[in-house]
Amino acid sequence: DTGVSQDPRHKITKRGQNVTFRCDPISEHNRLYWYRQTLGQGPEFLTYFQNEAQLEKSRLLSDRFSAERPKGSFSTLEIQRTEQGDSAMYLCASSLVATGELFFGEGSRLTVL
Amino acid sequence: ILNVEQSPQSLHVQEGDSTNFTCSFPSSNFYALHWYRWETAKSPEALFVMTLNGDEKKKGRISATLNTKEGYSYLYIKGSQPEDSATYLCAFMRETSGSRLTFGEGTQLTVNP
Repeated sequence: DTGVSQDPRHKITKRGQNVTFRCDPISEHNRLYWYRQTLGQGPEFLTYFQNEAQLEKSRLLSDRFSAERPKGSFSTLEIQRTEQGDSAMYLCASSLVATGELFFGEGSRLTVL
Repeated sequence: ILNVEQSPQSLHVQEGDSTNFTCSFPSSNFYALHWYRWETAKSPEALFVMTLNGDEKKKGRISATLNTKEGYSYLYIKGSQPEDSATYLCAFMRETSGSRLTFGEGTQLTVNP
């Protein structure tokens, strides 16, 4: 297992389009997290899963955002009707235990034109 | 303090200099404090996870201390090298926040050869 992988690494889209990001965590990790990072800021929590259950969702996440982890393995983050303010780096991370270190992917950078 | 604050925002040092950064966080409901290093075009990598007041951890030339009663952590780098150039992020986990980490904005370190 080579670590957390994210796809695509870069996505450029027009305002109003839908985009989907995929994250494959480290296989034995049951916790999976999505964070968003904009220029000059630290990563902001979006949501996390324990196995297939979505246990917490940030109030930052509007109804246009949805995340799934259908079989407790990979996860998808979908953004509907993208807006320019959605432009950011979307980071996925996984961990083995609740307080353990997070293992991050390299991120998916979204640019909304 | 309601959120995580890091200082300085950026730092330029010469190779061989020792340096340190500060992370301040809410002292109530403390559960864990994480430090991550994020090099450009790579994924954030965990340096330390600290949970006990008075904890001191070391990894090579990098060490960290934790004071949960007053709500701060210091990260020290001894004899900085150009490969230490990165953004150093600290993140705080509250007892009541589930697995959510709240990140600071980071300290961007540049080590000049």
